[in-house]
Amino acid sequence: GAVVSQHPSWVICKSGTSVKIECRSLDFQATTMFWYRQFPKQSLMLMATSNEGSKATYEQGVEKDKFLINHASLTLSTLTVTSAHPEDSSFYICSAGDRLATYNEQFFGPGTRLTVL
Amino acid sequence: AQTVTQSQPEMSVQEAETVTLSCTYDTSESDYYLFWYKQPPSRQMILVIRQEAYKQQNATENRFSVNFQKAAKSFSLKISDSQLGDAAMYFCAYRYNNNDMRFGAGTRLTVKP
Repeated sequence: GAVVSQHPSWVICKSGTSVKIECRSLDFQATTMFWYRQFPKQSLMLMATSNEGSKATYEQGVEKDKFLINHASLTLSTLTVTSAHPEDSSFYICSAGDRLATYNEQFFGPGTRLTVL
Repeated sequence: AQTVTQSQPEMSVQEAETVTLSCTYDTSESDYYLFWYKQPPSRQMILVIRQEAYKQQNATENRFSVNFQKAAKSFSLKISDSQLGDAAMYFCAYRYNNNDMRFGAGTRLTVKP
């Protein structure tokens, strides 16, 4: 099956700094990527939908100025957490849609654990 | 808005036995996809099984099968011959067209040896 990678897998940063998380589709082109956040022992909650070449669509309650999303190519989307605070500590998961795949399959990355001190 | 409900926060099953995880959902659409995902401690989301709403036949994948009741908006997962490696969080999910996934709260499955 198709592979989606995320980098880094784990990042620790100081409060007030910015962190960039990359999501790559390795063997297919993804016109749409999704960013989810998962707090401990909770479900995945959609943060935003990233479309190649256009602005991301954010879910209600997600600060678009804090969580900057860029989908500059068909294989790469980035999520930048700006001025991170301890409450931003979470597990961030991306998924990428392969429109050429059966069922327009979406594939998940392995996730990025963010810890803000 | 579409919602997915998993009413069993935790379930337990004896190794080699069968367990059923429940899921209900709400939607006004007639054609959509339903999924069960497994999330082990590594937290990688692993697709277990998929069901297309327009198909009446229940999907099966080896030891995993679903009971899809479209009118009741119910989508349960049956795991037969449970194995220790089946222990994980299981999420039911809904997807309409190429949109994002909507997940239930999850069910933690424990398999007892």
